[in-house]
Amino acid sequence: DAGVTQSPTHLIKTRGQQVTLRCSPISGHKSVSWYQQVLGQGPQFIFQYYEKEERGRGNFPDRFSARQFPNYSSELNVNALLLGDSALYLCASSFSGTGTDTQYFGPGTRLTVL
Amino acid sequence: AQSVAQPEDQVNVAEGNPLTVKCTYSVSGNPYLFWYVQYPNRGLQFLLKYITGDNLVKGSYGFEAEFNKSQTSFHLKKPSALVSDSALYFCAVSHLKAAGNKLTFGGGTRVLVKP
Repeated sequence: DAGVTQSPTHLIKTRGQQVTLRCSPISGHKSVSWYQQVLGQGPQFIFQYYEKEERGRGNFPDRFSARQFPNYSSELNVNALLLGDSALYLCASSFSGTGTDTQYFGPGTRLTVL
Repeated sequence: AQSVAQPEDQVNVAEGNPLTVKCTYSVSGNPYLFWYVQYPNRGLQFLLKYITGDNLVKGSYGFEAEFNKSQTSFHLKKPSALVSDSALYFCAVSHLKAAGNKLTFGGGTRVLVKP
């Protein structure tokens, strides 16, 4: 079975632009979570969606938004990009979306903001 | 609030020697603890987790971890390290009342296994 897939692999944007990142979960998984990993740091939780509803939100500004589609894939949108948004954005899927459930991560999207 | 500390930025070990990567946590209530490994330009790969039960957890690639409630620790161990174990290791914690399935990660420990 395919693992979690993310697109694009790399992305270069300029300050003030908007970006959309995409994630397809493992088949059968209903939960998708998004994390931001700045170089040299551990990942930070941005959002969790389960059955198309937001289940959790981290300490990120309203410029960050997400949604989940009926096929359980997800998009992360970031508006008004700042230099500090440069990071590896990781998507993780899990079956039940609970805290005990293992999250499986995709390879990430590397976003560079110039 | 939940937090994780990985006190060592880097661990150096010779191939064939035991490997230990330290992790301590702080959480309200019972913790759910995870270890992940990250290779260059890759996402995170799941190694093992502790939810409840036996304090010694065995995972992938010969790794194991021991949950110690009194010391609030969850150290990762491997009896005999391989050069291919060289990577970045992350400890993470969640709990029943976390926002969704939010994982809080430590800052990571780079492991370098020398031949």
